[in-house]
Amino acid sequence: TQLLEQSPQFLSIQEGENLTVYCNSSSVFSSLQWYRQEPGEGPVLLVTVVTGGEVKKLKRLTFQFGDARKDSSLHITAAQPGDTGLYLCAGRPSGTYKYIFGTGTRLKVLA
Amino acid sequence: NAGVTQTPKFQVLKTGQSMTLQCAQDMNHNSMYWYRQDPGMGLRLIYYSASEGTTDKGEVPNGYNVSRLNKREFSLRLESAAPSQTSVYFCASKDVAGEYEQYFGPGTRLTVT
Repeated sequence: TQLLEQSPQFLSIQEGENLTVYCNSSSVFSSLQWYRQEPGEGPVLLVTVVTGGEVKKLKRLTFQFGDARKDSSLHITAAQPGDTGLYLCAGRPSGTYKYIFGTGTRLKVLA
Repeated sequence: NAGVTQTPKFQVLKTGQSMTLQCAQDMNHNSMYWYRQDPGMGLRLIYYSASEGTTDKGEVPNGYNVSRLNKREFSLRLESAAPSQTSVYFCASKDVAGEYEQYFGPGTRLTVT
């Protein structure tokens, strides 16, 4: 069974702080996606990374795919209350149409 | 353009009852997915359909069946509901190739008593 483990599971920080969320697996993925989910809604895609070592930036969010394509990180600079939500990573094993989702990181940013 | 729609939004079943969760997408996507989300577990894939006419098991298929009725619709059936199937169910769709985004529906919150 392919697993994606995220850490930390919960994070509560003050506005303006920086944070990093990790997504780790022993399996290799052809691509990895990060989603954010608000209460009562479905996940919404933030970014897709496909090349080992790739770094993508989305405003204050920086995403990195590990060189071996087994892990990824999400770094948020100067967090804001609007960043509050559940962050999910999802990896696609090579040769399949399916996605394996991580366990999720619930972030709360306090004003 | 409604995206991905799911019905019902909420449902309470008694153990042993059956029901079908409906999902439809209007984006002409080839691939469709059913996930369940439990507290602390992220999303787990139940079944998926890479294209019309095909379905495949995901991580947790036991107790469920699916039907890809046509390109737009993908339904999930619980034949004999169990309390362990209490969860939030999400349907998603995606274009067939590459790393295109999965678009998720709003979810169905199911409670089995």
